[in-house]
Amino acid sequence: TQLLEQSPQFLSIQEGENLTVYCNSSSVFSSLQWYRQEPGEGPVLLVTVVTGGEVKKLKRLTFQFGDARKDSSLHITAAQTGDTGLYLCAGDNAGNNRKLIWGLGTSLAVNP
Amino acid sequence: EAQVTQNPRYLITVTGKKLTVTCSQNMNHEYMSWYRQDPGLGLRQIYYSMNVEVTDKGDVPEGYKVSRKEKRNFPLILESPSPNQTSLYFCASSLSPGRLHFGNGTRLTVT
Repeated sequence: TQLLEQSPQFLSIQEGENLTVYCNSSSVFSSLQWYRQEPGEGPVLLVTVVTGGEVKKLKRLTFQFGDARKDSSLHITAAQTGDTGLYLCAGDNAGNNRKLIWGLGTSLAVNP
Repeated sequence: EAQVTQNPRYLITVTGKKLTVTCSQNMNHEYMSWYRQDPGLGLRQIYYSMNVEVTDKGDVPEGYKVSRKEKRNFPLILESPSPNQTSLYFCASSLSPGRLHFGNGTRLTVT
């Protein structure tokens, strides 16, 4: 069974701090996505990483795909209260059913 | 505006009373899917549809039905809801593998 483990599960920091969230698996994925979910809303896609070693930046967010395409990290620089939410990673196994393997998420609280 | 629309947002019902949660997307996506989200269990796929008239079971299909008569709509049907189906439900669609667009969710309570 393919699993994606996210860590930490919960994170509470002060505004302005940096943080890193991890998404790890023993399986290889053809691509990996990061979503952010705010309370009362559905997850919103932030980024898709496809190539091993790939780094993508979205303003203060930096996403990296591991060289072996088994893991990924999300780094937030100078966190803001608007970054608060549940961060989910999802791996694409490239199967015909487009099935995504989901992590359980990291719940981030950025305090003013 | 490109979106996935679910209705209703909130629903409280009693055990055994059939209900339907509607889902509609305006992006001409072929792929649609239903998920439920529960604390400690994350997002779990209920059913998915690769195209019109093509549906298949996800990881937790028991107690649910779906239909895909037209591309834009993908309703979720609970023929005889039970309390263990109390959950937050999301419909999603996509054009490319992964890259899902989610609706805003339906919070269902079955008493």
